[in-house]
Amino acid sequence: DADVTQTPRNRITKTGKRIMLECSQTKGHDRMYWYRQDPGLGLRLIYYSFDVKDINKGEISDGYSVSRQAQAKFSLSLESAIPNQTALYFCATSGAPGQANANTGELFFGEGSRLTVL
Amino acid sequence: KNQVEQSPQSLIILEGKNCTLQCNYTVSPFSNLRWYKQDTGRGPVSLTIMTFSENTKSNGRYTATLDADTKQSSLHITASQLSDSASYICVVTGGSQGNLIFGKGTKLSVKP
Repeated sequence: DADVTQTPRNRITKTGKRIMLECSQTKGHDRMYWYRQDPGLGLRLIYYSFDVKDINKGEISDGYSVSRQAQAKFSLSLESAIPNQTALYFCATSGAPGQANANTGELFFGEGSRLTVL
Repeated sequence: KNQVEQSPQSLIILEGKNCTLQCNYTVSPFSNLRWYKQDTGRGPVSLTIMTFSENTKSNGRYTATLDADTKQSSLHITASQLSDSASYICVVTGGSQGNLIFGKGTKLSVKP
């Protein structure tokens, strides 16, 4: 089983619909992130969380919200999807100080969720 | 402004040939630089990490270099294989808050 699991892997929806992308991890990491990837633009940070009670906006948070339900779970919501939110979304984790891989800042990514908004 | 620039944007080579991908950065202060490999439709996976004191590091057929003075890194792939076809992303950790700054990636296609 993958260490970082995203669901759904693919979703097609219509403008105005509410969409939730879910992420769960078995790495025991405190830090979790949501990125979106668009052709030619690379990976851009939407939101990140350093522990269950911590939520921070990234560079492109408008139109998105997140929930950190537990150490292992971090979900991304689009309250009212629009076509320019069509993208590949990645969840990632990294270790906090004292955790595995923490001192190098290595990110561990899920397999991605491809979202199409019509 | 903290930035990471990668070149070329895309590259096509024949199987068995060598290639070099470039990463230039303006991030300060610098903490480390990591190269990720992203297969099509998959999440990125770390290949190697370079810290300030390291000049060269190898991981099989992948060799990364770092010149902290000129703020440049390269990823050299030796004897390319079809499975090397992927996007390669350079990520620098640094800045005043230790942020991760991503390059846009180089898409490598290895043809038989």
